[in-house]
Amino acid sequence: EIVLTQSPATLSLSPGERATLSCRASQSVSSHLAWYQQKPGLAPRLLIYDASNRATGIPARFSGSGSGTDFTLTISSLEPEDFAVYYCQQRSNWPPAFGQGTRLEIK
Amino acid sequence: QVQLVESGGGVVQPGESLRLSCAASGFTFTNFGMHWVRQAPGKGLEWVTFIQYNGNNKYYADSVKGRFAISRDNSKNTVYLQMNSLRPEDTAVYYCARDMDSAYYLYYWGQGTLVTVSS
Repeated sequence: EIVLTQSPATLSLSPGERATLSCRASQSVSSHLAWYQQKPGLAPRLLIYDASNRATGIPARFSGSGSGTDFTLTISSLEPEDFAVYYCQQRSNWPPAFGQGTRLEIK
Repeated sequence: QVQLVESGGGVVQPGESLRLSCAASGFTFTNFGMHWVRQAPGKGLEWVTFIQYNGNNKYYADSVKGRFAISRDNSKNTVYLQMNSLRPEDTAVYYCARDMDSAYYLYYWGQGTLVTVSS
């Protein structure tokens, strides 16, 4: 079973800054990794799939990169609505698994 | 637009059963696999189960295998989660989600339904 480890657990930044979130897999998942955003009280939303493809309607300030075991979600310039919890998810091996999440908070 | 509406959550005692439903609309239900994912209070996301578009294949997390059963009624555009022998650690918000083109990414999500297992 693949384990995904996200870092940091909490990231404190200001609007306009660049955010870099990391997800590391315990073994290679190729490019089979997605990123989700979850705001309090709401369901998660798919942002990125297959490591670097933006889902429909996702702003261009969100980008994903990486392959194998190391992945990054970058938000180029933070908007107030971007402060949320972010999860990575792999689908390379069964079962699908989520990382523990990174909380992006306003500094 | 795609809508997924969960129902059936509530408060039950340990050992009891509950059935969740997820009514889908806005897409061709018979073309897509469906997932259930749960989130314990204040915790992260845990994938629970998946059913293929035609119901032929079903997969479960080890934590629920043998206790939970996923099914679907394509005539009603609805997916179900039958939960038996519930435990306090099953307390969570349960989300249904539509698969992304057999890619096992979760593209659309419902609003969730809360299940509380407590004596």
